[in-house]
Amino acid sequence: GENVEQHPSTLSVQEGDSAVIKCTYSDSASNYFPWYKQELGKRPQLIIDIRSNVGEKKDQRIAVTLNKTAKHFSLHITETQPEDSAVYFCAASRRGNKLVFGAGTILRVKS
Amino acid sequence: KAGVTQTPRYLIKTRGQQVTLSCSPISGHRSVSWYQQTPGQGLQFLFEYFSETQRNKGNFPGRFSGRQFSNSRSEMNVSTLELGDSALYLCASSLERGQGAGYTFGSGTRLTVV
Repeated sequence: GENVEQHPSTLSVQEGDSAVIKCTYSDSASNYFPWYKQELGKRPQLIIDIRSNVGEKKDQRIAVTLNKTAKHFSLHITETQPEDSAVYFCAASRRGNKLVFGAGTILRVKS
Repeated sequence: KAGVTQTPRYLIKTRGQQVTLSCSPISGHRSVSWYQQTPGQGLQFLFEYFSETQRNKGNFPGRFSGRQFSNSRSEMNVSTLELGDSALYLCASSLERGQGAGYTFGSGTRLTVV
């Protein structure tokens, strides 16, 4: 079955710097790749997603890139702010199947 | 419109007991998926229900079961509780089944087994 690996497990950056989180997936048939942000004590919320027919997608300070050949995708956050501090999860799925999540990355933005 | 509603928010149970958790999806959403979240294992898929039928199942023992009603509300049941079942149980609803696109998560039920 699908396996998703996520790195790093923790990431500390200075406010204003960029943060990059990387994920690799095993199932070459996966075609949907969302990213979720979970603040302490709250539910995971979708922040951006990408489908396999697109190589990059951007939404203000957040961007996701996908390399289907290498089977990896990354989340890029620019100009980080303290409110970006949270746990970020990547996930992958193929049509008709469940979402498989990475283990999560704890992002700390120091002000 | 109302989001995904999970009840109760918190539960404390004793080993050996059973528990039932409830999830009401967003109006119009027909698919409900359940996940177990623990610090060590992350988000693990339990099962997905669509049109009152289980469509996908994760690698959990038979003590974990669920069902979906005609109004798309779903319940999950855990029997013979073990300490290791302590976790945050999240449900997510989406318009259609599979793929995970368009998931909206509820706030979860935090289960503590003592």
